[in-house]
This record gives sequence, C-alpha cells and structure tokens, in this order.
Amino acid sequence: DQQVKQNSPSLSVQEGRISILNCDYTNSMFDYFLWYKKYPAEGPTFLISISSIKDKNEDGRFTVFLNKSAKHLSLHIVPSQPGDSAVYFCAASFFTGGGNKLTFGTGTQLKVEL
Amino acid sequence: EPEVTQTPSHQVTQMGQEVILRCVPISNHLYFYWYRQILGQKVEFLVSFYNNEISEKSEIFDDQFSVERPDGSNFTLKIRSTKLEDSAMYFCASGSGTGEQYFGPGTRLTVT
Repeated sequence: DQQVKQNSPSLSVQEGRISILNCDYTNSMFDYFLWYKKYPAEGPTFLISISSIKDKNEDGRFTVFLNKSAKHLSLHIVPSQPGDSAVYFCAASFFTGGGNKLTFGTGTQLKVEL
Repeated sequence: EPEVTQTPSHQVTQMGQEVILRCVPISNHLYFYWYRQILGQKVEFLVSFYNNEISEKSEIFDDQFSVERPDGSNFTLKIRSTKLEDSAMYFCASGSGTGEQYFGPGTRLTVT
C-alpha cells in the first residue's frame, strides 16, 4: 500500500537555507494533507496542514504547497535551523462520518548543518 | 497547551499475555485514533473511534484488538493475546474534526 510516498529518505541542508520536502499521493479521494515532525522515541508533532481547496498554506517558517493535478505536495522550511533536524512525515486523509484516518508516507530525515 | 498523554511509556510482556495501553486525549476532542509504528517502518493506522463506537479499522485491527472509552476521559487499546509481531510503538491521537490530529508520546510495546 503505497498511497503516500516520500521518495527522499534523507535531506541535508545548511543552516539558513531553504529545506524542501516532497510527497506524492495516488488516491484522488484524499482531501486533507498534513505534515508532522518526529524525533526518535517521541510521537509525531503536527506542523501544518492544507485542504484540497487551497494550493498554499503558510505558518511562520513553514509553507505547504499542494498541486492537485500532479498529486504532489511539498513542505518548505525557510530559514532552516539546526532544531529542525528530525524525520518529517506527510500524511493524507479524507473525511468520513467518523473521522479522518491518516495515511502516512515513509518519512524524510532532515539534517540541518551549521 | 493541552496535550495527549499515554501510559505506560514502555511495556514489556510475554507472548500470549494481554496488554492494555492507555491514553488521555485532549479534553474537547471528539475523534480518537490508535496508530502504530514498527521499528524502521512507517506509521500505520489501526482504528478510529467516534461517538462511542469504532468508526473505521484497518486489517491489522483483528479480533485480538479492542478499544474502549470507559469513563469519558481515558481511551484504551487492548491486545488480548500478544504476538512477537505486535512489538511496536503505539500512538494515540485525537482530533476535534477540523482535520488535524494530535499525537501522544507513544507506548513502546516489547513482546518477548
């Protein structure tokens, strides 16, 4: 089941530069997309989300872009900071009457170097 | 800031034993979820719970698993007879229905 894919297992970026993390999905029913940050032995921390009716959502240093025709979303972090080093997961969902189960990608390990 | 809490942080059990993992979701949330992550793999959905009943479950969530919200604050996951392959991090999450889900710190289950 590869409905959500993150093709880059790792990314290394210099402090102060832009980090771009990518995610592709296959299920056209997905209408809500989220990015989570995760440290080892901790739970995922919600970062930012976007509904399929939008193509961009911004929150501070984090911006998520959605290209529905390409079934692609990306997370931009600018400027990148050493504290951003973690695994980033994208997740996709659609609402049913009882909630919205999240389908996760495999994650991208971001390392921000000094 | 409200947060999801989970206990215990680490549970070691023998194969065939029953375990109960506990979660306290964010208090005004209505939707509750369990996910798990086997070491080195992605986070996988197990079950969602709304209005005091299971609203969706994955194929992983077989008859050995059950969930309960016994008292309006706790949300539990029970595994009746644990197997070696149940060893994983188990995450509880809750949401208000806007789409975001907030995760607890997880329970690391080790089945020996």
